[in-house]
Amino acid sequence: NAGVMQNPRHLVRRRGQEARLRCSPMKGHSHVYWYRQLPEEGLKFMVYLQKENIIDESGMPKERFSAEFPKEGPSILRIQQVVRGDSAAYFCASSPGGGGNYGYTFGSGTRLTVV
Amino acid sequence: GQQVMQIPQYQHVQEGEDFTTYCNSSTTLSNIQWYKQRPGGHPVFLIQLVKSGEVKKQKRLTFQFGEAKKNSSLHITATQTTDVGTYFCAGFSGAGSYQLTFGKGTKLSVIP
Repeated sequence: NAGVMQNPRHLVRRRGQEARLRCSPMKGHSHVYWYRQLPEEGLKFMVYLQKENIIDESGMPKERFSAEFPKEGPSILRIQQVVRGDSAAYFCASSPGGGGNYGYTFGSGTRLTVV
Repeated sequence: GQQVMQIPQYQHVQEGEDFTTYCNSSTTLSNIQWYKQRPGGHPVFLIQLVKSGEVKKQKRLTFQFGEAKKNSSLHITATQTTDVGTYFCAGFSGAGSYQLTFGKGTKLSVIP
């Protein structure tokens, strides 16, 4: 029973390029969350999605960032025209039910480095 | 917006000593969750507390939820080197909010 799968584990992008982070939730989980973590910091909420719907994107920067969770395939977090400040660990989590009523299962994360 | 504060930020203990981390929310919570993140790893769910005054135990770990449902604590008895990591609390307020808000965590180091 595979957990939450994230790829790539590490991603290096030059300033101005696009970064695409993928997340496949645990089997049976239809609720997906993206969090961002800076070194020595907690996890900052970015977006909450269900299949084909964005439920809450209040933590997502208005520009350059977008997320989707299509009917088929993984959830994608897309960062356009990356800047050095986007360097961070991005974690995806899933749960069987919505919001914070269930414990989250986190993936191993994608460590994004912008050079 | 909802804020979750956690103290201390760092804690160094000798192996065998006890450890406690405290969590305070600016708003009343529907539930609180605790996670552990090993160095270089990802957060792993430990437990969820829902009821006012609730106390739950997992082996050497004791979790408490305050009577007002605004604070929580995690206590580890007789720490071991395997307890090393960062412990996060995360609060869910419900009431139309979908966000699980994480504290900044307490980083535990255990000196053998």
